[in-house]
Amino acid sequence: AQTVTQSQPEMSVQEAETVTLSCTYDTSESDYYLFWYKQPPSRQMILVIRQEAYKQQNATENRFSVNFQKAAKSFSLKISDSQLGDAAMYFCAFETSGSRLTFGEGTQLTVNP
Amino acid sequence: KAGVTQTPRYLIKTRGQQVTLSCSPISGHRSVSWYQQTPGQGLQFLFEYFSETQRNKGNFPGRFSGRQFSNSRSEMNVSTLELGDSALYLCASSLWAGASSGANVLTFGAGSRLTVL
Repeated sequence: AQTVTQSQPEMSVQEAETVTLSCTYDTSESDYYLFWYKQPPSRQMILVIRQEAYKQQNATENRFSVNFQKAAKSFSLKISDSQLGDAAMYFCAFETSGSRLTFGEGTQLTVNP
Repeated sequence: KAGVTQTPRYLIKTRGQQVTLSCSPISGHRSVSWYQQTPGQGLQFLFEYFSETQRNKGNFPGRFSGRQFSNSRSEMNVSTLELGDSALYLCASSLWAGASSGANVLTFGAGSRLTVL
């Protein structure tokens, strides 16, 4: 069974600075997808970034980038130039079969002005 | 383009009752998945439907059931409600079932918050 672990229940960052959220996972699969989702107070899950395991290159979406270390089964999210609107719960997720996602416990990110 | 619509947004039930939640996917999306989110258990996969067939099921008791209609709209039902069923129920849709590739990314609705008293 796949497991996803986020070891940081809470993180905080100053506006305009950079923060990195950690995620590790465990799987015996070789082909899979990893995601970071953001859940603001409105509770709607929003896709932040996606990484395909067979791709060596780390995914980047504007201020969001990942550090994907397949051998170490690590998938961290870096948020650059943090903005107040980035404050949310961030979930790391793993997908193999169908549309079934296994989520981590979440990291609550606070952005301080 | 309308997003994933879940109704009702909030509801309160008492133990022993049953509840039905509805999910209308993005137009053109044929796969619908359901997740339960609680403070204690986090986000857990309930089931996935594609072309009116359940393709995948999580580890939940038989009190939790679902179905999908020909227009891809989906409903989930929880019978004989327990206090522990209080949760945010999230629905997500995608173009087709199967591992994400290209445009096949899950889009979530805003959820239905169920409180069981």
